[in-house]
Amino acid sequence: SQQGEEDPQALSIQEGENATMNCSYKTSINNLQWYRQNSGRGLVHLILIRSNEREKHSGRLRVTLDTSKKSSSLLITASRAADTASYFCVSRGSTLGRLYFGRGTQLTVWP
Amino acid sequence: GAGVSQSPRYKVAKRGQDVALRCDPISGHVSLFWYQQALGQGPEFLTYFQNEAQLDKSGLPSDRFFAERPEGSVSTLKIQRTQQEDSAVYLCASSSRDIAKNIQYFGAGTRLSVL
Repeated sequence: SQQGEEDPQALSIQEGENATMNCSYKTSINNLQWYRQNSGRGLVHLILIRSNEREKHSGRLRVTLDTSKKSSSLLITASRAADTASYFCVSRGSTLGRLYFGRGTQLTVWP
Repeated sequence: GAGVSQSPRYKVAKRGQDVALRCDPISGHVSLFWYQQALGQGPEFLTYFQNEAQLDKSGLPSDRFFAERPEGSVSTLKIQRTQQEDSAVYLCASSSRDIAKNIQYFGAGTRLSVL
């Protein structure tokens, strides 16, 4: 079973706009990760935020984490057509190694 | 290559056939994972190896699914007597010993279609 839920399920924007995706998870975490999946490059790790961090940046990506609400958000600034993909919020379970994926947000960026 | 390699990329099987899916992890990665991804869903965990030891197989949906990693490198996921509901993309991932980061590197997957 999947333990995270991304919102919205689908998002469609124009190039240059910002895209915000949200995630809620159910269990306590040590860290939370975001992955991206597209047909060209498969499933790729984007960014990891630890449970004692509130915000993290990587290039055009900004991730926030609110452990009290068990929620996270991913912001992609100045989006490009190449950002078109599914984005997954991923938590690690208590069992060593196992990752839990949500259903993902399908982002479409129009040129 | 430097990444996780899976073969075949596509597999079509008739219902009842046995299939074997192969995964070559990144060299030196001790942890190897198998996931199943149905259409429109996120990947779901199947099983986990640390070196040759299968430490968690709780995600395998039935006893028709079997995975092995005999020498701690290449892994094979075998599905016996395939059924239509087994149709999915099977993803393999590997990660290094740095469990605190637990970043997993995924292969391109094997798309299995059971007719």
